Amino acid sequence: EPEVTQTPSHQVTQMGQEVILRCVPISNHLYFYWYRQILGQKVEFLVSFYNNEISEKSEIFDDQFSVERPDGSNFTLKIRSTKLEDSAMYFCASREGVVATEAFFGQGTRLTVV
Amino acid sequence: ELKVEQNPLFLSMQEGKNYTIYCNYSTTSDRLYWYRQDPGKSLESLFVLLSNGAVKQEGRLMASLDTKARLSTLHITAAVHDLSATYFCAVDMPSYNNDMRFGAGTRLTVKP
Repeated sequence: EPEVTQTPSHQVTQMGQEVILRCVPISNHLYFYWYRQILGQKVEFLVSFYNNEISEKSEIFDDQFSVERPDGSNFTLKIRSTKLEDSAMYFCASREGVVATEAFFGQGTRLTVV
Repeated sequence: ELKVEQNPLFLSMQEGKNYTIYCNYSTTSDRLYWYRQDPGKSLESLFVLLSNGAVKQEGRLMASLDTKARLSTLHITAAVHDLSATYFCAVDMPSYNNDMRFGAGTRLTVKP
């Protein structure tokens, strides 16, 4: 069964360092998302991506964040200069369309900023 | 701004009992989703509700959608321990991309 895969599963980084989280969405899906979940809390929308550009982003997704789909299969989230409060689980999701379809989520990357 | 509110946020129930989780949202949307999350795991899709009056059932769980009241319910029948998890509802934003926004989640614990 097709699935969304994310790497790494866990990343520890020092404050101020850049991190790149990687995702491979389901192959025939066209809409891609990043969400984050601070431990035990709600799932927060970061950004959506369609047709090789950002379609919507939240107030969390500031200049320190960027997304890219460099090669038609990978979908990456970059955080340029990590802060302690960026520590969270980051989930990638993809959807086949936006009408009558649910989003499928990857297993997540646990980011720990020390 | 879209608000999605779930209640209760925490639910402890005995095996064999019934209970309902509620999800209210603040905008016009006719697409609502229920997800399950086990501790430390990802989000698993449970139900997709796509129209007013939609009702879906899977095992001991039944979900419904009332778009006029902007309310969805997740009903648990004769709970068993395996249902212990956090349940999230999510609503499509009424925008071009219909991005999903999540409720805060209901952490369900089923006790023997």
